Amino acid sequence: KAGVTQTPRYLIKTRGQQVTLSCSPISGHRSVSWYQQTPGQGLQFLFEYFSETQRNKGNFPGRFSGRQFSNSRSEMNVSTLELGDSALYLCASSFEGANEKLFFGSGTQLSVL
Amino acid sequence: GENVEQHPSTLSVQEGDSAVIKCTYSDSASNYFPWYKQELGKGPQLIIDIRSNVGEKKDQRIAVTLNKTAKHFSLHITETQPEDSAVYFCAANHWRGNKLVFGAGTILRVKS
Repeated sequence: KAGVTQTPRYLIKTRGQQVTLSCSPISGHRSVSWYQQTPGQGLQFLFEYFSETQRNKGNFPGRFSGRQFSNSRSEMNVSTLELGDSALYLCASSFEGANEKLFFGSGTQLSVL
Repeated sequence: GENVEQHPSTLSVQEGDSAVIKCTYSDSASNYFPWYKQELGKGPQLIIDIRSNVGEKKDQRIAVTLNKTAKHFSLHITETQPEDSAVYFCAANHWRGNKLVFGAGTILRVKS
C-alpha cells in the first residue's frame, strides 16, 4: 500500500512569490492534515480537511490556504512568501481525523530567499 | 488550548540501555496520545499510541504509559540499538479533535 506522497520534495522561492504544495493521501483515507515544522517552533498545525471540507484551522495568517479534491488529494498554497515561511511542510492522512493514527509524508522543504 | 511539554530535549544512552521520554499535557479532555519517530530527511513515523482508557501499551521493545490523573505519559525503549537514534515526538489530540498538538521533540542518541 503506497504511503503519503508529497510533491515537490524541495522548493526554493523568493520573497513575495507564491507556492503550491501537493499531497496524495493513503488510498481510502479521507482526512488530510498539514503541519509546518521549523527548528524554533516545532510541529505546528495548519489545517485539516475531510471530504473536501476544512474542519479545523491553526493560528496561521490568511496567506496560508488549502483545499481538498474529491479524490482526497490536497494542496496547500502560501501567497506573498516571507523569509519566515521557510520550513518543512508535512502532510498527514488518516481515515477519520487526528483522533486516530496519522501517517505522514516525507514533506516539502521550502526555502524562501 | 492544549499544550504538550516534552523532556528531555536530548538524551544519550549506551547501546543496550533503556531510554525514557516524558510528556505532560494540559487539557484533561485529550484522549489520544501517539508517539512519533523522525529520522533525518523523513516525515514523522508513528511508533506507538495509547488511548485514555488504557494505562499501558507495549510493542516489542517499546512501551507507553499514561497517567490521566497527573496528565502525563511516557515512552520507554528497552535494549536500545543504534538504529533507535532519531528525534522522538509525543502528541495529544486537541479536545475538538482533528488536530494533534506536538511536544518539542527529544533527540535520542544511542552510542555503540
